[in-house]
Amino acid sequence: AQSVTQLDSHVSVSEGTPVLLRCNYSSSYSPSLFWYVQHPNKGLQLLLKYTSAATLVKGINGFEAEFKKSETSFHLTKPSAHMSDAAEYFCVVTFSGGYQKVTFGIGTKLQVIP
Amino acid sequence: EAQVTQNPRYLITVTGKKLTVTCSQNMNHEYMSWYRQDPGLGLRQIYYSMNVEVTDKGDVPEGYKVSRKEKRNFPLILESPSPNQTSLYFCASSLLGRGSPLHFGNGTRLTVT
Repeated sequence: AQSVTQLDSHVSVSEGTPVLLRCNYSSSYSPSLFWYVQHPNKGLQLLLKYTSAATLVKGINGFEAEFKKSETSFHLTKPSAHMSDAAEYFCVVTFSGGYQKVTFGIGTKLQVIP
Repeated sequence: EAQVTQNPRYLITVTGKKLTVTCSQNMNHEYMSWYRQDPGLGLRQIYYSMNVEVTDKGDVPEGYKVSRKEKRNFPLILESPSPNQTSLYFCASSLLGRGSPLHFGNGTRLTVT
C-alpha cells in the first residue's frame, strides 16, 4: 500500500520570503514522487519529479524538492515567493515501474501576501 | 499541440440520467486515467488503463464505468448519476515507465441534482 501526507492544508507567506510545503509518503516499493501545481480553474501542471537519480530535484519556476529516504519526505521549497506562486500544490506517489495506482496528497493551498 | 482534451467543461444533470464525459489525447500515450477532485480530499483515482482493452479500478470506482477501445480515447460513463458524484473530474495520460509524468485535461465540473 502507498500513501501521501501533506502536512499543511494552507500555507501563507509574504512575497519575497521562502516557501516550504511539506510531504511525507509511504510505499512498499521504490517510489516515484512528483509535485504538481493547480492554479484556480486550471488543470494540473508538473513542477518536478523524483525517480531515483539525484535526491535534490530542480523544477520549474525556481522550485526544488529533496528526497530523504530516511525521513520518507519529499518537501517542496522555493527561496523567494512570488505572487504568481499562489495556487494549490499536490504531492503524488506512484509505484516503481508502473502506474497501477497513483496516490495524491490532499493538497496545500499557498497564499502569497503582498 | 500535445494535449488532453476533456468535454464538456461544465455539466449539470439530474439523478439517474446517463452521461458520458469524453477524454482524448494526441500524444500516443499508453496510460490513461480518471480522477475526481473534492475539497479536502485531493484527487482520487477512479479508473485507469494501461493500454487498449485493459482497464482497472482505482480507489473510488463505484458508480463509474470506462472503456478503452482506441488508444487515444478513454470516456468516463455514469450510468445512473447520483448527487454524491457532483465533483470536478480530471482525465490524464502518460507514457508507461518510471517517472513518466501525467498530462492533465482542464477538468469537467459535474453537478448532479
